[in-house]
Amino acid sequence: SAVISQKPSRDICQRGTSLTIQCQVDSQVTMMFWYRQQPGQSLTLIATANQGSEATYESGFVIDKFPISRPNLTFSTLTVSNMSPEDSSIYLCSVDAGLDSRNEQFFGPGTRLTVL
Amino acid sequence: GNSVTQMEGPVTLSEEAFLTINCTYTATGYPSLFWYVQYPGEGLQLLLKATKADDKGSNKGFEATYRKETTSFHLEKGSVQVSDSAVYFCALRSPGTYKYIFGTGTRLKVLA
Repeated sequence: SAVISQKPSRDICQRGTSLTIQCQVDSQVTMMFWYRQQPGQSLTLIATANQGSEATYESGFVIDKFPISRPNLTFSTLTVSNMSPEDSSIYLCSVDAGLDSRNEQFFGPGTRLTVL
Repeated sequence: GNSVTQMEGPVTLSEEAFLTINCTYTATGYPSLFWYVQYPGEGLQLLLKATKADDKGSNKGFEATYRKETTSFHLEKGSVQVSDSAVYFCALRSPGTYKYIFGTGTRLKVLA
């Protein structure tokens, strides 16, 4: 298993500003993921972050809006840039133990973002 | 493409009632299936999983059986408690991929 922490746990931001969310894992992992959970919605994968390479973004998400860093095997950041009220969501970090589909992913507690 | 369909909530039950939350999926091959739970103000936690047909996942009194013939993975509990109030997500993961496909979630409210 993996224990994941996120900072901040919540924030209220003004439109046009940016927020960087941190994700820390208690063990080294290859794959880290960033999800968005809009109010009353399911989880949507934003991007996959591998250490030492650029993040891979899902359809509808771009690096300019959601830049990601992955400086080592236990840490990643997601920045939500030039925010608008539509970016109000819970942002979750998750990790995966490997490419065995029987493995579950472990999720952080989430960052609840409100954009005014 | 792959997809997961869950029954819409909210589901409101009295304590000790029987719970069923329906989940059906569309996928090629033999995906692994998961139920995650999200308690108020918290992140997702794995509740149970099944990785092949006819497997039964179970945890904390919850059960779900991987039914290949009906492409279903319904979540059941014989006697719910107030503490089970949460949002429940069904999800699948196809072999050889990292990507999860989540259902829209079902909110359960259990009344004392």
